Amino acid sequence: DVKVTQSSRYLVKRTGEKVFLECVQDMDHENMFWYRQDPGLGLRLIYFSYDVKMKEKGDIPEGYSVSREKKERFSLILESASTNQTSMYLCASSTYEKLFFGSGTQLSVL
Amino acid sequence: AQSVTQLDSQVPVFEEAPVELRCNYSSSVSVYLFWYVQYPNQGLQLLLKYLSGSTLVKGINGFEAEFNKSQTSFHLRKPSVHISDTAEYFCAVSVWDSNYQLIWGAGTKLIIKP
Repeated sequence: DVKVTQSSRYLVKRTGEKVFLECVQDMDHENMFWYRQDPGLGLRLIYFSYDVKMKEKGDIPEGYSVSREKKERFSLILESASTNQTSMYLCASSTYEKLFFGSGTQLSVL
Repeated sequence: AQSVTQLDSQVPVFEEAPVELRCNYSSSVSVYLFWYVQYPNQGLQLLLKYLSGSTLVKGINGFEAEFNKSQTSFHLRKPSVHISDTAEYFCAVSVWDSNYQLIWGAGTKLIIKP
């Protein structure tokens, strides 16, 4: 089975901190995605990547950046965490017909 | 622009009763359609998908969905729900030439009453 692993299940950070969320997939997928999930809003795309060192902005990229130095790893970076970035963050990799999700990281910014 | 509407934020239903979760989309071009499920404290997983062919699609755990192009709908159904179906269900569409990006509905929480 495809496995998408997110490094932390729960994370608590302070306002202004730089935060790294890591995601690793083991199926050699080219496509990887970062979403945030908030109640009543569904999933909103932050950034995606179709290849190593390639990134594209999604719907809500402000306050975030990403890094993809290796095919299997896609990192989300909060440059200066703010309280409105408290959310569930979901990483996914995909074929053309299916997304594979990690278990998510619940980030709380205090 | 494409959009997806899940008409109900919560659907309560008694165990062993049938259920329908509604999904409507808007798009001027051909789409792929998906339902994903998120069990408590887990990531999302694919329940079923429509890419082409038969408009009635069967998925895992006894769920099925029907693509209705004229009504731009892709409603999810199960004839008899179980307590283990308690989850949040997300409808999503992908435009065929969009590099596999998905447009997501807001989700429907299925609440099973004993």
